Amino acid sequence: NAGVTQTPKFRILKIGQSMTLQCTQDMNHNYMYWYRQDPGMGLKLIYYSVGAGITDKGEVPNGYNVSRSTTEDFPLRLELAAPSQTSVYFCASSYRPGPTGEQYFGPGTRLTVT
Amino acid sequence: QQQVKQSPQSLIVQKGGISIINCAYENTAFDYFPWYQQFPGKGPALLIAIRPDVSEKKEGRFTISFNKSAKQFSLHIMDSQPGDSATYFCAASMEVLTGGGNKLTFGTGTQLKVEL
Repeated sequence: NAGVTQTPKFRILKIGQSMTLQCTQDMNHNYMYWYRQDPGMGLKLIYYSVGAGITDKGEVPNGYNVSRSTTEDFPLRLELAAPSQTSVYFCASSYRPGPTGEQYFGPGTRLTVT
Repeated sequence: QQQVKQSPQSLIVQKGGISIINCAYENTAFDYFPWYQQFPGKGPALLIAIRPDVSEKKEGRFTISFNKSAKQFSLHIMDSQPGDSATYFCAASMEVLTGGGNKLTFGTGTQLKVEL
């Protein structure tokens, strides 16, 4: 199992550009999450999905969109990049519902918006 | 609003020493408390976790102490090793997401360095 994979690893965007961060998991997990990690801060939830076709907003969804057409893939879309979106983005998945469901994280995408 | 407060921000410990990281939470709806370990360039990985009806959980050199009345919990790393050098995040979990997903609220992280 590759686990949770993310592409790209690094990306530099200009203000106003758009991009999609890719996330794929091969563990057949229903639950998937997108977080951002800013320096000196904990991870904050952007969007999550409880299964194919079902997504919902987390704490900090503004400026982002997601889709979930398959169990495996959960891409995150930035439409009009802003410097405030400079961050490290992590995708995670879990198989068990409820508070004890361990979340498995990908290696992250480091995004810089200039 | 920081719902999970973590301290210290950074910690240097000698090899063989005890590393202690503290966290405090505000929301009593949290019902599971995991700790995640993150190495540079990697995503966080679950290290150990505890339910609020348990006061202590030990796995190898890692122990969580939990004080429900004080709303505090801590991670103790015994016999700290250079390989333990990483960033540690406490988190608090609750099942509030539609469809059963769990929401993790993270602390701000502690950078641990274990020196020889």
